Amino acid sequence: DAGVIQSPRHEVTEMGQEVTLRCKPISGHDYLFWYRQTMMRGLELLIYFNNNVPIDDSGMPEDRFSAKMPNASFSTLKIQPSEPRDSAVYFCASSFLAGGPRTDTQYFGPGTRLTVL
Amino acid sequence: AQKITQTQPGMFVQEKEAVTLDCTYDTSDQSYGLFWYKQPSSGEMIFLIYQGSYDEQNATEGRYSLNFQKARKSANLVISASQLGDSAMYFCAMRGWLGAQKLVFGQGTRLTINP
Repeated sequence: DAGVIQSPRHEVTEMGQEVTLRCKPISGHDYLFWYRQTMMRGLELLIYFNNNVPIDDSGMPEDRFSAKMPNASFSTLKIQPSEPRDSAVYFCASSFLAGGPRTDTQYFGPGTRLTVL
Repeated sequence: AQKITQTQPGMFVQEKEAVTLDCTYDTSDQSYGLFWYKQPSSGEMIFLIYQGSYDEQNATEGRYSLNFQKARKSANLVISASQLGDSAMYFCAMRGWLGAQKLVFGQGTRLTINP
């Protein structure tokens, strides 16, 4: 089975530009998560979806960030306009809750390293 | 709210020795899950091991075991017979009750295995 797929793997953009990060979860998983990793703040959850519905977006830093999940196999995280402080590694992860505890392990994609100049 | 504390920013261990990475947690949930992930220098997050709060036995996965002490709220990762490839960042994380799928991560421990 393919793991979580993220694109692009690296993104360099200039301040003020729109950035779109993409994620394809593991087939059959019903939860999808977006995390951000920085040296200062570590790994922090931005938003997560259950069956394509956003459940908790309390970690989204501000209105410049938005996330969508139009279907079970695709999600996007958009930053508009981007700022240098958005530079980080963004991870997408997915899990399968319906099997109960132990099966709900989150599996991470390879991450997107975003640099905003 | 959940909180994870990893007090060892870095550890250096000789190859083939066993190593224990510390993790303490705080939660008011009665049911919760504890996870360990490995992040090598290449950057990906690799799931290692899971322990449920109601599991009576400590979890084991190959060379990894989780020393779960519920009363002390600790969930230490033990790696037996360390290898050079074990050099990486290690993160402890917890999830509260099953319906709240959020993972809270600790700050991580950087493990370096010396030949």
